Amino acid sequence: RKEVEQDPGPFNVPEGATVAFNCTYSNSASQSFFWYRQDCRKEPKLLMSVYSSGNEDGRFTAQLNRASQYISLLIRDSKLSDSATYLCVVRDDKIIFGKGTRLHILP
Amino acid sequence: GAGVSQSPSNKVTEKGKDVELRCDPISGHTALYWYRQRLGQGLEFLIYFQGNSAPDKSGLPSDRFSAERTGESVSTLTIQRTQQEDSAVYLCASSTTSVGTDTQYFGPGTRLTVL
Repeated sequence: RKEVEQDPGPFNVPEGATVAFNCTYSNSASQSFFWYRQDCRKEPKLLMSVYSSGNEDGRFTAQLNRASQYISLLIRDSKLSDSATYLCVVRDDKIIFGKGTRLHILP
Repeated sequence: GAGVSQSPSNKVTEKGKDVELRCDPISGHTALYWYRQRLGQGLEFLIYFQGNSAPDKSGLPSDRFSAERTGESVSTLTIQRTQQEDSAVYLCASSTTSVGTDTQYFGPGTRLTVL
């Protein structure tokens, strides 16, 4: 099992729809989790940290499932500007980035 | 305030030449990270600094790669005898500390092309 795995996509989603994707991790001792967003040919930028209790930031909701070792990102009422690659980041004694999930929001 | 800056933004070099990439972290950030991202691929961790020391160099792909940091500020990543497979975007990030919950802020990257 890879350390951090994401469905590469692309997810093609109509504007206004809700989309969700997961990221699985192999190390049960992992402590910190994040979602980053990366636009084409740009650097990654933090979207949100993922807390044990789950957290929400506007249209974005992140959740952690320690039992099944995955984190999820839910985007509601998707906008064209949400089109990007979403990177999952897991930290234990190392920092591991997933390869990302590409999201295309269709007009 | 100013973000993470990297220079040069683009570098084209010939196979076998040495290159030096520079990263200026956000002022006051003690942790600094280097990553490599090949075209269409995910980020590959190379090395991180806490202050001027590098507790984790495990990601450096070969002994042709080295990095240093002085004055808890600027860092340079040096690639000796470059190979075509070194072509990638090299990203630098900094954070307040190396504590796991600290956010990493990325620079715009240096796009390296080895001919």
